Amino acid sequence: DAKTTQPTSMDCAEGRAANLPCNHSTISGNEYVYWYRQIHSQGPQYIIHGLKNNETNEMASLIITEDRKSSTLILPHATLRDTAVYYCIDSLLGGYQKVTFGIGTKLQVIP
Amino acid sequence: NAGVTQTPKFQVLKTGQSMTLQCAQDMNHEYMSWYRQDPGMGLRLIHYSVGAGITDQGEVPNGYNVSRSTTEDFPLRLLSAAPSQTSVYFCASSLEGRGNTEAFFGQGTRLTVV
Repeated sequence: DAKTTQPTSMDCAEGRAANLPCNHSTISGNEYVYWYRQIHSQGPQYIIHGLKNNETNEMASLIITEDRKSSTLILPHATLRDTAVYYCIDSLLGGYQKVTFGIGTKLQVIP
Repeated sequence: NAGVTQTPKFQVLKTGQSMTLQCAQDMNHEYMSWYRQDPGMGLRLIHYSVGAGITDQGEVPNGYNVSRSTTEDFPLRLLSAAPSQTSVYFCASSLEGRGNTEAFFGQGTRLTVV
C-alpha cells in the first residue's frame, strides 16, 4: 500500500495557483518527499523533491511542514497542460525501486 | 539522449503465450525497475535491479521474470501470459538509490492478454 495520502481529485481555474496536499504520516528521517505527475497515459514525470526545506524549480514549489508529516505542491499559474494525475511519494533509503505509487490526485485545470 | 525506451508500445497476446517487454536506458543509470499500472491501483512495483547482475522482487512479481546482463537493458519476461496481466507496464531508471535523485520513466507498454 502507498505510504502517502492524497485527495482523489481537485479542480483549479486556469491561471490560478494549484495547491496539491499530501500527508506523509509514516515518513522517516532519511526519506525524501517526491512529486511526480502523469499526463494522460504517459510515463510519470518528475516534478520536484525535498527533504525538509521548501524547494522551488521552474515547474513548481514544494512546501514541507516542519514535522514533515505533510507537504504541498504548488503550481503557481496552472495551465490546461497541467491537467494530470499528481503523485507524492516518500523515497526510501536505497531508491525508488521499492516505492509504490498510490492512485494520486487527478488535477483538472478548468478554462 | 533517448532516456528510457520501451518496446513494444502495444501488444496483444493469447493466454499462455510468452513474450519479453524491452527496456533500455542510455543514461548509465544503475537502478532500473518495472511497474504495472491498473485502473484505480496506481503503479505497483514488479521487479527491480540495483545494477548489472543484481535483481530483486517488488510488490507483484508472480508471473514475471527479469534479468540484468548489462547496465543499459532490463527486459521483463512473461512466461505464460494470463488475462490478469493485462495492464500498462512502465520501466524506470535512476542514477543511484540514496533517495536524492529522480527517476525517469519510459512511455509504457500497453499489454492485452485475451
